Amino acid sequence: QVQLVESGGGVIQPGGSLRLSCVASGFTLTRYTMHWVRQAPGKGLEWVALISYDGHNRYYTDSVKGRLTISRDESKNTVYLQMDSLRPEDTALYSCARKISGIYAFDHWGQGTLVTVSS
Amino acid sequence: SYELTQPPSVSVSPGQTASITCSGDKLGISYASWYQQRPGQSPVLVIFQDDKRPSEIPERFSGSRSGNTATLTISGTQAMDEADYYCLAWDISTLYVFGTGTKVTVL
Repeated sequence: QVQLVESGGGVIQPGGSLRLSCVASGFTLTRYTMHWVRQAPGKGLEWVALISYDGHNRYYTDSVKGRLTISRDESKNTVYLQMDSLRPEDTALYSCARKISGIYAFDHWGQGTLVTVSS
Repeated sequence: SYELTQPPSVSVSPGQTASITCSGDKLGISYASWYQQRPGQSPVLVIFQDDKRPSEIPERFSGSRSGNTATLTISGTQAMDEADYYCLAWDISTLYVFGTGTKVTVL
């Protein structure tokens, strides 16, 4: 069955870097657009970034442009989120999600990995 | 930036109907999807393309859209439906936007 498992979160000082991973199983990334969504403690959901099924298109929410980079490794069926120049406001649970083909909706989500930016 | 507005909270008695609205000035040209998030759990898709329900979601969940407002309706609400609910829409400029979220309490 479809499974998404995130890792790589932790406590990091402002200005630091982290790389999050999302290992997908039960399907191949080359068929689906993948997203990162975050949720600050006690807050709502916020869309962060996407990488298209063909890997050619990557888009970001304005607040992370130039600091966060989404990528993937097809051989490992894994999506990454490289996080640089981290800020306290980036503190959140980061989850990857799979978009339904041809539909603007996410049908599978991972459990998330927690990133805490604090000095 | 584009925003989708939801009521912060909705209270409902067991067996009654709960309705959650999601309003945005660009919803008139965009499909909405809805997600249920129970405490400590990942979101679950309950409605997509305004009114379509995944096969594993109970029939008591339904969706609709009129103009710039999408609505999630839970008929015959059960205690297990107590959760946070979020709408999601796509916009060509901001791409994906989640609603502000609604906490449903089953009294």
